[in-house]
Amino acid sequence: DGGITQSPKYLFRKEGQNVTLSCEQNLNHDAMYWYRQDPGQGLRLIYYSQIVNDFQKGDIAEGYSVSREKKESFPLTVTSAQKNPTAFYLCASSMKLAGAPPHMDTQYFGPGTRLTVL
Amino acid sequence: QKEVEQDPGPLSVPEGAIVSLNCTYSNSAFQYFMWYRQYSRKGPELLMYTYSSGNKEDGRFTAQVDKSSKYISLFIRDSQPSDSATYLCAMKGGSSNTGKLIFGQGTTLQVKP
Repeated sequence: DGGITQSPKYLFRKEGQNVTLSCEQNLNHDAMYWYRQDPGQGLRLIYYSQIVNDFQKGDIAEGYSVSREKKESFPLTVTSAQKNPTAFYLCASSMKLAGAPPHMDTQYFGPGTRLTVL
Repeated sequence: QKEVEQDPGPLSVPEGAIVSLNCTYSNSAFQYFMWYRQYSRKGPELLMYTYSSGNKEDGRFTAQVDKSSKYISLFIRDSQPSDSATYLCAMKGGSSNTGKLIFGQGTTLQVKP
């Protein structure tokens, strides 16, 4: 059963703690992404990775870190430096289509992790 | 000014109505346009995508792109209560191959039985 899984579904963190959100995909997709969703603000890109062992900052990378040691895994760490971490976190993956224009890839999302800081 | 603007709603319609969801954008380099549907507390799911201008139809859903006006729309015919969700437009394009999508804020739709 192919897809993207995120765990945990709900996560509670005390102030000053680092937490790691898991994202795994078995779609054999090359690229993976982390977004943050807040009410009324749509999705904002935190980090993305187009290939194993390589990743780039998105629009709101401060206070977050990632790693991409395996193609199927792209964990996100929310550090204590992130001032307002309470949000819904979404992981996505995509694959470019052979022979298609360079923009012709689509992102598929996981079910999300809701992080709450206590 | 945000690159992509979307009326957040909420939009409430009776069952069977035709729904029009819209986004405007400012970057003329955008060429690839998508619509996602997101149910409450779930991840977005891809509904439709279009490349450049024109219309694309899939069942009760029609995606329309007007690049001259920098305006995209999603039409839902014969709307059903199960269509109640938040609809997100997303787009990208230009010379970059990063795959970075720019999302609208999302429009919340409620279809009443």
